[in-house]
Amino acid sequence: GAGVSQSPRYKVAKRGQDVALRCDPISGHVSLFWYQQALGQGPEFLTYFQNEAQLDKSGLPSDRFFAERPEGSVSTLKIQRTQQEDSAVYLCASSEDREETQYFGPGTRLLVL
Amino acid sequence: GQQLNQSPQSMFIQEGEDVSMNCTSSSIFNTWLWYKQDPGEGPVLLIALYKAGELTSNGRLTAQFGITRKDSFLNISASIPSDVGIYFCAGQLRYGGATNKLIFGTGTLLAVQP
Repeated sequence: GAGVSQSPRYKVAKRGQDVALRCDPISGHVSLFWYQQALGQGPEFLTYFQNEAQLDKSGLPSDRFFAERPEGSVSTLKIQRTQQEDSAVYLCASSEDREETQYFGPGTRLLVL
Repeated sequence: GQQLNQSPQSMFIQEGEDVSMNCTSSSIFNTWLWYKQDPGEGPVLLIALYKAGELTSNGRLTAQFGITRKDSFLNISASIPSDVGIYFCAGQLRYGGATNKLIFGTGTLLAVQP
């Protein structure tokens, strides 16, 4: 079956621009996670959804970061007024339920110039 | 953000050699996981460990969940060129109302020379 997909795969933005990153989880997966991976580092947790409810957003680095999952399937991570330090790979993962294995998408590589 | 201590940072070995890497944490987890990440891709789960002291194998891979619940190691036997990639450990607190977010290590880059 289809895995987690993310789009776009690459995004170049000028500093100050807003960007929107999309995640399509595995069909039927209730839980969805966003992680940020800086160059040469391991992924770091950003936020977590159970269906459409955002239950944990403790990892979002600033109020410029906003995530939503309005119908409990596709999720969008939005970054407003991008800064150079936002350059990273943004990974999405989904799982059947909160305690099950998380499956990762290929990531979106964001470069802010 | 929190990252687990993972060593070594990189390894350059000959095909056929065995490899060992480990991960330590200052806090306790009730699940340890090992992922492999290839260039341009997301992490892929290799092995999951759910009990302190547990030793689990997956083909040429063997991993153990430390008794203190603050560490884990991964061994790869008889390495082959396709083992090349970055290996990450991850700790997780499952159950008890936790988010079940993964806390990742800093990664081990493995290069295998044929």
